[in-house]
Amino acid sequence: GAVVSQHPSWVICKSGTSVKIECRSLDFQATTMFWYRQFPKQSLMLMATSNEGSKATYEQGVEKDKFLINHASLTLSTLTVTSAHPEDSSFYICSAPPPTGSSNQPQHFGDGTRLSIL
Amino acid sequence: GENVEQHPSTLSVQEGDSAVIKCTYSDSASNYFPWYKQELGKRPQLIIDIRSNVGEKKDQRIAVTLNKTAKHFSLHITETQPEDSAVYFCAASSRGGYQKVTFGTGTKLQVIP
Repeated sequence: GAVVSQHPSWVICKSGTSVKIECRSLDFQATTMFWYRQFPKQSLMLMATSNEGSKATYEQGVEKDKFLINHASLTLSTLTVTSAHPEDSSFYICSAPPPTGSSNQPQHFGDGTRLSIL
Repeated sequence: GENVEQHPSTLSVQEGDSAVIKCTYSDSASNYFPWYKQELGKRPQLIIDIRSNVGEKKDQRIAVTLNKTAKHFSLHITETQPEDSAVYFCAASSRGGYQKVTFGTGTKLQVIP
């Protein structure tokens, strides 16, 4: 079945560092990728939606200059957390809608990236 | 936008008993309702889903019901086992899952042996 590969799975870095997270769709084309953030003991909240070939759509309250999203190809979407600070520490996870014509399939989630900023 | 509420936030049951988690949604355009189980540090795992053209769906010990008129849907787990202990999220989406998924607030289920 369709798989979304997300890397890295775990990042620890110093405050002020920029961190890039990649999500790749394996064996299918993902023209859209959803990026979620999950703080400890909370639900998953949508941050933004990336679309191949166009600008990402950000949810209210999400800083687009801080969370840079690039959907470079039909199989790759990236999220860059720029100048990360401790409050950005969270679990970031991407998901792709099912391939066109596969309406009975659920969305496909990556394994998530646990980001810890010291 | 869509708003999904979920209750209870925590639930403890004895092994073998049933567990019920309830959710409501606000957007009448939502037509796809997945349920996810999330273990600590891992991605959500789809356990069952239901679409708006059916009122009930069952898969072994798990069942979901949907009341479109009231915008309610529920998860029922029968004969609970310790390995059912996890956080469960309900969710709603439109266009059969092609759109973003809005998650409920989560229910931490503890099954006591």
